[in-house]
Amino acid sequence: DIQMTQSPSSLSASVGDRITITCRASQGIRNDLGWYQQKPGKPPKRLIYAASSLQSGVPSRFSGSGSGTEFTLTITSLQPEDFATYYCLQHMSYPWTFGQGTKVEIK
Amino acid sequence: EVQLVESGGGLVQPGGSLRLSCAASGFTFSDYWMSWVRQAPGKGLEWVANIKPDGREKYYVDSVKGRFTISRDNAKNSLYLQMNSLRAEDTAVYYCVRVGVCSGGICYEVFLYWGQGNLVTVSS
Repeated sequence: DIQMTQSPSSLSASVGDRITITCRASQGIRNDLGWYQQKPGKPPKRLIYAASSLQSGVPSRFSGSGSGTEFTLTITSLQPEDFATYYCLQHMSYPWTFGQGTKVEIK
Repeated sequence: EVQLVESGGGLVQPGGSLRLSCAASGFTFSDYWMSWVRQAPGKGLEWVANIKPDGREKYYVDSVKGRFTISRDNAKNSLYLQMNSLRAEDTAVYYCVRVGVCSGGICYEVFLYWGQGNLVTVSS
């Protein structure tokens, strides 16, 4: 099974900050990775697909990069609505696996 | 507009069974792989199962193999999850999710559309 190690598990940041979240795969997953944002009581929302492609309608302050085993989600100029939990997902091989999540909180 | 509406959740005793349903609309259901994803209270997301458009291929996370069965009825635009031998650790919100189109081992539009989720509580 492919393990997805996501870090950090939580972070505190201020509006306007730049933040980076990392997911490391236990083996190469090409670019079969997506990033999802979840707010309390809501289903997740896809932000990034194919590791670096921005989902239509998602603000350009979100970006993804990486390939193989190391991937990052970057949010430039954090906005109030960005405080949420973020997950990566690998879908290269079964079982599909999510990272443990990163909770982004207001400092 | 793509819509996925889950039903069938609730309280069940350990060892019991429950069947979740998902009514899909707004797209050609029979063209898409479908999935169930769950989230235990206060925990992260866990992929549970996928099913091919024609229903002939199914994949499961190890923790539910032999207990859960994913199925679909393309004539009714519906996805199902039969859950047997339920355990306390199966307590979670279960999401019906459209996987996308998969070809040659690559899937597109993965988990773009999600239902609102349905709570399953396993407790005596």
